[in-house]
Amino acid sequence: DTGVSQNPRHKITKRGQNVTFRCDPISEHNRLYWYRQTLGQGPEFLTYFQNEAQLEKSRLLSDRFSAERPKGSFSTLEIQRTEQGDSAMYLCASSPDREETQYFGPGTRLLVL
Amino acid sequence: AQSVTQLGSHVSVSEGALVLLRCNYSSSVPPYLFWYVQYPNQGLQLLLKYTSAATLVKGINGFEAEFKKSETSFHLTKPSAHMSDAAEYFCAVSDLRSGNTGKLIFGQGTTLQVKP
Repeated sequence: DTGVSQNPRHKITKRGQNVTFRCDPISEHNRLYWYRQTLGQGPEFLTYFQNEAQLEKSRLLSDRFSAERPKGSFSTLEIQRTEQGDSAMYLCASSPDREETQYFGPGTRLLVL
Repeated sequence: AQSVTQLGSHVSVSEGALVLLRCNYSSSVPPYLFWYVQYPNQGLQLLLKYTSAATLVKGINGFEAEFKKSETSFHLTKPSAHMSDAAEYFCAVSDLRSGNTGKLIFGQGTTLQVKP
């Protein structure tokens, strides 16, 4: 098992473009989380999946953001009409049932020009 | 609502000196508490966690933390700093025990600088 993977690791885009990030959790981890981390801050929760069901969304997740986890495996986070304020590190974490520890991926760093 | 406060955004120590990073939490239920470390341009790596077993928790790389309910604290220590300890450290609390989704609430982080 190679841990949580995220792709791409870096993304530079122009304001107004759409971007999509992918997260592959550790196999058999049915809980998956997305966080956003801006420079000099701690990560902030965005959304949570239990298998394929999206069970919690932060108010940080505006209408321009959408996340999916088809078949309860990998997850995607899409940002539409990107804004400069979306520039951040997007972190994915997974966890097995009945365990409190989350295992983080390396993150996707987004820069919106 | 749960929250975490890390006192001191930057801590500088000499190599071989004691490391002390402070974390205070707020939680209406017995908390799960974590310390994570983040190296530049990388994700978060778990250092240690408190889940209501022993109050003194030992983690990787010689770090340990003590849960003090009376002080609502979970400070991270290491007896002797090494150059490789230079990184960003985050304290976090989980809402799993509140019957919620288990999301982590992080402090703002402390940058540890180790001087030769």
